[in-house]
Amino acid sequence: DADVTQTPRNRITKTGKRIMLECSQTKGHDRMYWYRQDPGLGLRLIYYSFDVKDINKGEISDGYSVSRQAQAKFSLSLESAIPNQTALYFCATSDLQGASSYNEQFFGPGTRLTVL
Amino acid sequence: AQKITQTQPGMFVQEKEAVTLDCTYDTSDPSYGLFWYKQPSSGEMIFLIYQGSYDQQNATEGRYSLNFQKARKSANLVISASQLGDSAMYFCAMREFNSGSRLTFGEGTQLTVNP
Repeated sequence: DADVTQTPRNRITKTGKRIMLECSQTKGHDRMYWYRQDPGLGLRLIYYSFDVKDINKGEISDGYSVSRQAQAKFSLSLESAIPNQTALYFCATSDLQGASSYNEQFFGPGTRLTVL
Repeated sequence: AQKITQTQPGMFVQEKEAVTLDCTYDTSDPSYGLFWYKQPSSGEMIFLIYQGSYDQQNATEGRYSLNFQKARKSANLVISASQLGDSAMYFCAMREFNSGSRLTFGEGTQLTVNP
């Protein structure tokens, strides 16, 4: 079974609709992240959470909100979807960062969102 | 300023040959880490290799090695003996210690391995 799962995997919606993307992990990691990927732009950080009570904005948080329901669950919401939010969305997790450890981020399979 | 720069949008290599994917970075944090991820056409992100700023030796993982030149702020990925399955998008990313565990990604290099 996958350690980081995302639902749905694909979603087509219309402008103005509210959309929620969900992420669950079984790795026991405290840190969770949401990224979006656009062609030619790499991955950009939307929001991140270091624990259930710690939510932080990333570089492109406008138009998005998040909820950390439990250590294992981190949801991303688009309150009123617009076409330029069409992208591939990734959830990722990592363990606590030690000074000398690399603590790679583990990525979910991605959610392909299309806003018409 | 761009923190991670990958100047090669696309690269081609013959099967069984070596290829180098370029990555330069910009940071004033003395403690940082550099990552390479592979993204095949199926879309998942696969971690390949890591180099810490204080590591004395270049990182290696199987056919992957990282040519780390700290003074030049470059962390190029070298893939030896390329295979058809290496065809994918490759991303360089950096984590700065003072920014927690957030990653900043480059724009990626699309590698195509020709038979």
